[in-house]
Amino acid sequence: KQEVTQIPAALSVPEGENLVLNCSFTDSAIYNLQWFRQDPGKGLTSLLLIQSSQREQTSGRLNASLDKSSGRSTLYIAASQPGDSATYLCAVGNDYKLSFGAGTTVTVRA
Amino acid sequence: GAGVSQSPSNKVTEKGKDVELRCDPISGHTALYWYRQSLGQGLEFLIYFQGNSAPDKSGLPSDRFSAERTGGSVSTLTIQRTQQEDSAVYLCASSLATVGNTIYFGEGSWLTVV
Repeated sequence: KQEVTQIPAALSVPEGENLVLNCSFTDSAIYNLQWFRQDPGKGLTSLLLIQSSQREQTSGRLNASLDKSSGRSTLYIAASQPGDSATYLCAVGNDYKLSFGAGTTVTVRA
Repeated sequence: GAGVSQSPSNKVTEKGKDVELRCDPISGHTALYWYRQSLGQGLEFLIYFQGNSAPDKSGLPSDRFSAERTGGSVSTLTIQRTQQEDSAVYLCASSLATVGNTIYFGEGSWLTVV
């Protein structure tokens, strides 16, 4: 069974600091890895999708890396803003099923 | 519609009653998923549809839970004889094919069983 772990569980930083969120998974036989954002009381918003053959994806201030052999992914958010405050979820895709981590709750202080 | 639409957004029901949760996926998306997010727990997979068929129902917690999809579009998740432990957010998602594509989630149906 795929186990996904996210560290840290919570993170508080001042505005402007770079964010580093970590995700690890136990079974490297994955199709892809997806990072999501969840705001309180809301659904999930997809941020980045990395296919298993890729090593990273970038979108604006967001960059996600994937090291399938070691079972790790890192989400970098540059120059954080208060609007980045949310819970970030990592999900590993095995064919049609996503296995989620518990998330990292980020607070960016103005 | 532009995104995945779920209804109701909030539902409070008495223990023992049946509830139906509806999901309208993004037009053209053949794959549809149901997940559950309970307080203090992560998201758990419930069921997956490819078209109108459900190749994997393994995540449904008990035989009180069932789901169907009609016309390759709208899906309904039904919970019979609700219990307090069924209280959770039920999230629907869709994608063009399977997990190889980006998955888009709805806002969820917040179910409270009292």
